[in-house]
Amino acid sequence: QVQLVQSGAEVKKPGSSVRVSCKVSGGTFGSYTISWVRQAPGQGLEWMGRIIPILGITTYAQNFQDRVTITADKSTTTVSVELSSLRSEDTAVYYCARDPAARGLYYFDSWGQGTLVTVSS
Amino acid sequence: SYDLTQPPSVSVSPGQTASITCSGDKLGYTYVYWYQQKAGQSPVVVIYQDDKRPSGIPERFSGSNSGNTATLTISGAQALDEADYYCQAWDTSTYVFGTGTKVTVL
Repeated sequence: QVQLVQSGAEVKKPGSSVRVSCKVSGGTFGSYTISWVRQAPGQGLEWMGRIIPILGITTYAQNFQDRVTITADKSTTTVSVELSSLRSEDTAVYYCARDPAARGLYYFDSWGQGTLVTVSS
Repeated sequence: SYDLTQPPSVSVSPGQTASITCSGDKLGYTYVYWYQQKAGQSPVVVIYQDDKRPSGIPERFSGSNSGNTATLTISGAQALDEADYYCQAWDTSTYVFGTGTKVTVL
């Protein structure tokens, strides 16, 4: 059973950066992909990007292309997301989620507990 | 970008059937997935590959997908089914989520 455990809440100033981590346990690290999905207060789900941990290959959503970096540390089985040039609209709960990478299927079968990032001056 | 549109809200009486639609251009040509998100919790997949239920998901949840519309059906809705529901598809190397539907059981 895969478990995704995220780092704690963050409060950041506008213009700064934030890094949120996701510790993955269970399963074989890298036999799947890990994505980051965010949810602003009272809003829907928004996909930010993903990484193939074993290869370090990333794909980013167009809306975040210039500001997001997703990395994976195989030694600690941890995936992280860094978002730069923060603005108030980035206030949201950030989730990591696992795609089991079954052939032809693209969905999330496990989610982290979420990390609240608050951007405020 | 690819858009998936859902009704903002659906109401259902306990024991009755709720249907939630997800509309997108030629949606029937790709697989659709459905997530349930209860207040303050992380999403949980309830339907994958259009109509398959993961282990542990009750049989009252079913899905279909054809043409431009996918549908999640909750047969015999219960109070514990009250939640937000999101459809999701894969389009040009991007995960796309629907706009979300709040299901109220009353």
